[in-house]
Amino acid sequence: GQNIDQPTEMTATEGAIVQINCTYQTSGFNGLFWYQQHAGEAPTFLSYNVLDGLEEKGRFSSFLSRSKGYSYLLLKELQMKDSASYLCAVTLNTGGFKTIFGAGTRLFVKA
Amino acid sequence: IAGITQAPTSQILAAGRRMTLRCTQDMRHNAMYWYRQDLGLGLRLIHYSNTAGTTGKGEVPDGYSVSRANTDDFPLTLASAVPSQTSVYFCASSDSGPGSNEQFFGPGTRLTVL
Repeated sequence: GQNIDQPTEMTATEGAIVQINCTYQTSGFNGLFWYQQHAGEAPTFLSYNVLDGLEEKGRFSSFLSRSKGYSYLLLKELQMKDSASYLCAVTLNTGGFKTIFGAGTRLFVKA
Repeated sequence: IAGITQAPTSQILAAGRRMTLRCTQDMRHNAMYWYRQDLGLGLRLIHYSNTAGTTGKGEVPDGYSVSRANTDDFPLTLASAVPSQTSVYFCASSDSGPGSNEQFFGPGTRLTVL
């Protein structure tokens, strides 16, 4: 079966750094995405990893280890507007276009 | 139209009724998707379409049907709604397959089946 695990909730302080972990067990792998979703809104794309290593984009970085089935999203210099859910998603290499999403991690940023 | 739109924004529906959720994109993306999002379960793929004229089943296709007559539109139909279909429905699109292409999501339709 397909399984993606991430923590349900996290709390961090404004200005700090937070790391959101994601582990996955899937049959076939064709890339890992991170999306941000504010309450009541649609998900929006943050990052994509297909090779092992770190991808950096401004205050956000995403890391992937395919051999460990592990990824993390790193958010630096946290701002109040970063309070949102962060969705880890894996695209499967099964001949069809299927993406499996984790349940998401709700991040609360406090002053 | 800019991006991807869905209609209606929300709907309350009696069980047993037929309902079509509409989705339109103007980005000329080949691939389109329908997801439902339920608390604690995340986004689950219902149906997808690689290109106009083709569709495929996702994780939770039962009770839903789709069609893809053209590139822009991807309606989702509930033939006979049941309360377990109460959810938030998101339509998404991507350029070709999702291998390295981010998905763009519509604003969602909140559906309540009583």
